[in-house]
Amino acid sequence: ETGVTQSPTHLIKTRGQQVTLRCSSQSGHNTVSWYQQALGQGPQFIFQYYREEENGRGNFPPRFSGLQFPNYSSELNVNALELDDSALYLCASSFSSHNEQFFGPGTRLTVL
Amino acid sequence: GIQVEQSPPDLILQEGANSTLRCNFSDSVNNLQWFHQNPWGQLINLFYIPSGTKQNGRLSATTVATERYSLLYISSSQTTDSGVYFCAVRGDTGFQKLVFGTGTRLLVSP
Repeated sequence: ETGVTQSPTHLIKTRGQQVTLRCSSQSGHNTVSWYQQALGQGPQFIFQYYREEENGRGNFPPRFSGLQFPNYSSELNVNALELDDSALYLCASSFSSHNEQFFGPGTRLTVL
Repeated sequence: GIQVEQSPPDLILQEGANSTLRCNFSDSVNNLQWFHQNPWGQLINLFYIPSGTKQNGRLSATTVATERYSLLYISSSQTTDSGVYFCAVRGDTGFQKLVFGTGTRLLVSP
């Protein structure tokens, strides 16, 4: 059974640029959730995708957007990057929106 | 929204000691998970425990849903137990996001 994978591992961008992060869900899972974890804090929920539809969103601006593909993999896109977007971005997959979530290793984004 | 508090915020132990980490939450939940975050940032699932008691080796957890708290017990701690422990919960009405506590940072010294 393949676990949750994320790419890239690390990324450095400059303010104003756009970034795309990728996540492959665990085999058999149809739900993907994205989280942002700033240094020294717990992960904060960005949004969740279930069967290719966004079915929940946290307190993040519209420049944070996402996609889920038919194979249930997912992308997180962030436009007009700001310095405060520097964080660890975590992806989690689950069998449905209410089940146990399993996390990938994360993508560490630095915005200069 | 639901609030999650973890205590203590920091814990320093000698190898071999036992510890108890606590998670309090403000509303009824249908999902409670305990995670260990290693130094590389990976969140490792420890328990999925919306209610009841579970054990896995040196670790065990108890959730008393009616009193809105969960406890994580670590026995005979090892240096590899060091890291941050998070509790995360989801409320049980409608769509609810998974809400994380602020974590307990554990350092186990040899």
